[in-house]
Amino acid sequence: EADIYQTPRYLVIGTGKKITLECSQTMGHDKMYWYQQDPGMELHLIHYSYGVNSTEKGDLSSESTVSRIRTEHFPLTLESARPSHTSQYLCASGLGGTNQPQHFGDGTRLSIL
Amino acid sequence: QQPVQSPQAVILREGEDAVINCSSSKALYSVHWYRQKHGEAPVFLMILLKGGEQKGHEKISASFNEKKQQSSLYLTASQLSYSGTYFCGTEGATYSGAGSYQLTFGKGTKLSVIP
Repeated sequence: EADIYQTPRYLVIGTGKKITLECSQTMGHDKMYWYQQDPGMELHLIHYSYGVNSTEKGDLSSESTVSRIRTEHFPLTLESARPSHTSQYLCASGLGGTNQPQHFGDGTRLSIL
Repeated sequence: QQPVQSPQAVILREGEDAVINCSSSKALYSVHWYRQKHGEAPVFLMILLKGGEQKGHEKISASFNEKKQQSSLYLTASQLSYSGTYFCGTEGATYSGAGSYQLTFGKGTKLSVIP
């Protein structure tokens, strides 16, 4: 089983707050990803990283930012949360070869009041 | 560009077979298949690579037609545990012809297996 951890699992918070969603993996994977998924809908890539100090925006525009200071850690930050940010955020990691799967964390369900 | 999955939903009785299709309008380097149960993380099932190599699950098979940019997932003798939403994720190629390492997911196919 893949070892990728996300905290918190659930977060309900008021508008305007700064939020950081944590994602850590213990597999030494270079590639890490953040996806946004609304209930019953598809996954949208919002950020990815191919290694330390490498971050790129994904296909879906997001007001969040990410950082990759250590290989195992890929946090996502919302400076000022809004109700439109309510969604599930999934973190994934992979070795990156094209025959390698992405391993997903359990996700953070974020609700902005 | 987002791949198109079909059908959107299917209901099976235990032991029946199902095929889920995934098609793209752009050239693909690989196709990944995942299953997600309600409230859980997506779980890897299968990768199909350009050139025909497969890597994945024992009880599930798949095909990848590179020329048509289509992939199909075959679920045979379905079990209750097969229920969930199946997503295909497509990987495009870079200018150099290598994989991009990024996946674009379809809208999913909801599979329900009933006794």
